[in-house]
Amino acid sequence: GESVGLHLPTLSVQEGDNSIINCAYSNSASDYFIWYKQESGKGPQFIIDIRSNMDKRQGQRVTVLLNKTVKHLSLQIAATQPGDSAVYFCAEKDSGNTPLVFGKGTRLSVIA
Amino acid sequence: EAGVAQSPRYKIIEKRQSVAFWCNPISGHATLYWYQQILGQGPKLLIQFQNNGVVDDSQLPKDRFSAERLKGVDSTLKIQPAKLEDSAVYLCASSLDAGKDEQYFGPGTRLTVT
Repeated sequence: GESVGLHLPTLSVQEGDNSIINCAYSNSASDYFIWYKQESGKGPQFIIDIRSNMDKRQGQRVTVLLNKTVKHLSLQIAATQPGDSAVYFCAEKDSGNTPLVFGKGTRLSVIA
Repeated sequence: EAGVAQSPRYKIIEKRQSVAFWCNPISGHATLYWYQQILGQGPKLLIQFQNNGVVDDSQLPKDRFSAERLKGVDSTLKIQPAKLEDSAVYLCASSLDAGKDEQYFGPGTRLTVT
């Protein structure tokens, strides 16, 4: 079936560096994408979203890039901080009342 | 604004026992979701409610799992009887309505079946 996955299960970065977390999706009908951050013992927390009519969206220290041609999504975190250490999930859905499909997650570790 | 509340936070049971989880969504949120998150994986939707009606329960193992949201606010998820493979974190989420995509998650209930 259709699935959402991540290229790398773990990512370690130095504090202050930029982080890039990647995600591949396979459902060509997906038109809405979300990045979630999940800290240990907590539920996923919304970070940023993007719709398929855009290829880039920026938030506070975060940028999401969408490449529909290769079905690839990335999350860029600028000036990574220790508080950014968490598991990051991408999720996607197509139009209508369809459920979110989550990928397996990437663990980001920030080295002080 | 209070977030999504869940209880208990942790539960340990033996296989073949039953267990129930409770969720109180954000006030005014019409849509409520139950997810199962197995260790190392992303959440998987079990059931979605719109007010007190079921919108999607296609991935709910109905032979052992049941959920209700009788008054369109709080919800309970029950497993009876539990199996070892049910060990997971059960997350509840809510959104303003089904057309609003941003879901707010509770802290989850970590279930261990021994």
